[in-house]
Amino acid sequence: GAVVSQHPSRVICKSGTSVKIECRSLDFQATTMFWYRQFPKQSLMLMATSNEGSKATYEQGVEKDKFLINHASLTLSTLTVTSAHPEDSSFYICSASSPGGYEQYFGPGTRLTVT
Amino acid sequence: QQQVKQSPQSLIVQKGGISIINCAYENTAFDYFPWYQQFPGKGPALLIAIRPDVSEKKEGRFTISFNKSAKQFSLHIMDSQPGDSATYFCAATVNQAGTALIFGKGTTLSVSS
Repeated sequence: GAVVSQHPSRVICKSGTSVKIECRSLDFQATTMFWYRQFPKQSLMLMATSNEGSKATYEQGVEKDKFLINHASLTLSTLTVTSAHPEDSSFYICSASSPGGYEQYFGPGTRLTVT
Repeated sequence: QQQVKQSPQSLIVQKGGISIINCAYENTAFDYFPWYQQFPGKGPALLIAIRPDVSEKKEGRFTISFNKSAKQFSLHIMDSQPGDSATYFCAATVNQAGTALIFGKGTTLSVSS
């Protein structure tokens, strides 16, 4: 099956600093990648849809200046949390669509803790 | 109309029993219905998926039943095992490039030994 990786798996940063999370599709080209946020014992909340070579589409209520998304190639998308604050602490998960379009494969997630 | 309603929120099943999780949707344009399994601290893993042209799909101990007229679909886990203890999410989407999944709220399954 298709494999999606994320790096780092865990990150702790100080309030006010920026953190970059990478999402890679390892064995397929992903035209579209998605970024989700998940709070404990809750469902996945879509943050943005990222298409290679174009600007990301953000969901309502997601600050685009705070959560910068770049989809520089067909196998890499990055999420940068700028000026992080404790309330940004969460589990961030990316997914990538298979070339056929139907299936989405998820990365293992990144646990962000802002102190 | 974009919601996917999932029930129950939590489920406890004896080892060897059948686990059943139900989902309902409103948007008749949805044409792909996957189920994901998520263990604590991990990303969701695609378990099984169905399209509306079939009423049932089985893969090993996992079966999806799909009722197009009722706009409902369910996951059945036969011979449930402690290793199946996880959170299960149903989802739905339209097969268009760049279309995101709409997730249910999840069901936490505990299989007791």
